[in-house]
Amino acid sequence: DVKVTQSSRYLVKRTGEKVFLECVQDMDHENMFWYRQDPGLGLRLIYFSYDVKMKEKGDIPEGYSVSREKKERFSLILESASTNQTSMYLCASSPSGQNLLLNQPQHFGDGTRLSIL
Amino acid sequence: ILNVEQSPQSLHVQEGDSTNFTCSFPSSNFYALHWYRWETAKSPEALFVMTLNGDEKKKGRISATLNTKEGYSYLYIKGSQPEDSATYLCAFRDYKLSFGAGTTVTVRA
Repeated sequence: DVKVTQSSRYLVKRTGEKVFLECVQDMDHENMFWYRQDPGLGLRLIYFSYDVKMKEKGDIPEGYSVSREKKERFSLILESASTNQTSMYLCASSPSGQNLLLNQPQHFGDGTRLSIL
Repeated sequence: ILNVEQSPQSLHVQEGDSTNFTCSFPSSNFYALHWYRWETAKSPEALFVMTLNGDEKKKGRISATLNTKEGYSYLYIKGSQPEDSATYLCAFRDYKLSFGAGTTVTVRA
């Protein structure tokens, strides 16, 4: 069965800290995604990657960076955490590579609820 | 950011009743529409990927229809059960997915 694992369910950090959120998938998927979800808003795409060492900005990349050194792992980095980055973060993966038009569903992790104090 | 709207934002249904709700999306440059179910404390789970105008998909008591010309999709739950309580997300695909804010369904026993 498909499995996307996020390293933490809950995380509390302080303003100004550098924060790492880790995501690992075991399906050999090419594509990986980071979203945040806030009340009343849909999932918003932060960054995505369609191959190792490749990354593309999503709709709200400001304040974030990503790293994909291995196919199975996609890390989201908050360079200097701020209170407005308190949110639920979801990682997802899908097959298809750069041809994202292939209509495969995304497989999600359980989410990390991040609080920045 | 593409405008994908879902209505209503939330609804309450009596166990055994049927219900439906809407996803609206841009009618141009359509590639696919996704539906996901997101139960509390779990990860979103894919229900359907719909690509053709007039598509109808069914999974158990849940079904969905698609109208790409007018830019909407309906999701139907027949004979609602407490385990159907969840937030239902739709997502419009061009080269990435743009999600609506979801419809939260609460089924009362």
